Amino acid sequence: DTAVSQTPKYLVTQMGNDKSIKCEQNLGHDTMYWYKQDSKKFLKIMFSYNNKELIINETVPNRFSPKSPDKAHLNLHINSLELGDSAVYFCASSQDLAYGQPQHFGDGTRLSIL
Amino acid sequence: GDSVTQMEGPVTLSEEAFLTINCTYTATGYPSLFWYVQYPGEGLQLLLKATKADDKGSNKGFEATYRKETTSFHLEKGSVQVSDSAVYFCALVYSGGSNYKLTFGKGTLLTVNP
Repeated sequence: DTAVSQTPKYLVTQMGNDKSIKCEQNLGHDTMYWYKQDSKKFLKIMFSYNNKELIINETVPNRFSPKSPDKAHLNLHINSLELGDSAVYFCASSQDLAYGQPQHFGDGTRLSIL
Repeated sequence: GDSVTQMEGPVTLSEEAFLTINCTYTATGYPSLFWYVQYPGEGLQLLLKATKADDKGSNKGFEATYRKETTSFHLEKGSVQVSDSAVYFCALVYSGGSNYKLTFGKGTLLTVNP
């Protein structure tokens, strides 16, 4: 059973389009995250939700909008895609916000903008 | 703000060589420290962690000790294998106030040759 699953694994689309990436975790965790990994492998947090409530919103263009319909899901919708959005996007989850909790990552969604 | 600095890669070793990947951090208070590993085409996996000073995390032959006096968490392995080839990320999280972010270093690519 996959603990944190993201779909799709690959997403190739044109500039200006709108796309969504879905994430689901079956670990019973309270907290979920979205990260962006650039071409140099640098990872940066974008958003974090705890019990469906937004708790971290880094400096991300408002074209990116996360949605958490329930604790097990955190989807990422991107409007008006730009070339600079090309990256690998990782979803992650952790038990809760308690000190020292490790995060569990999905396999990533590779987004390529043409 | 919090930051993690790890040695630049790539690191290339022969099988059975000794591995050290240096990691130092800057943080307010006492963070938890992690090493994550990313195999090609996959998401990040937790390798080991330490939550307080002098704790030693260990897993799969890898070790790292939380050194508060030198603000370091260097990763070591006595004898690397080809299957250890991956990108290694040092990370910290400080659950103080509203800051629950996992802050990553830039990653170190390790290649082990037979």
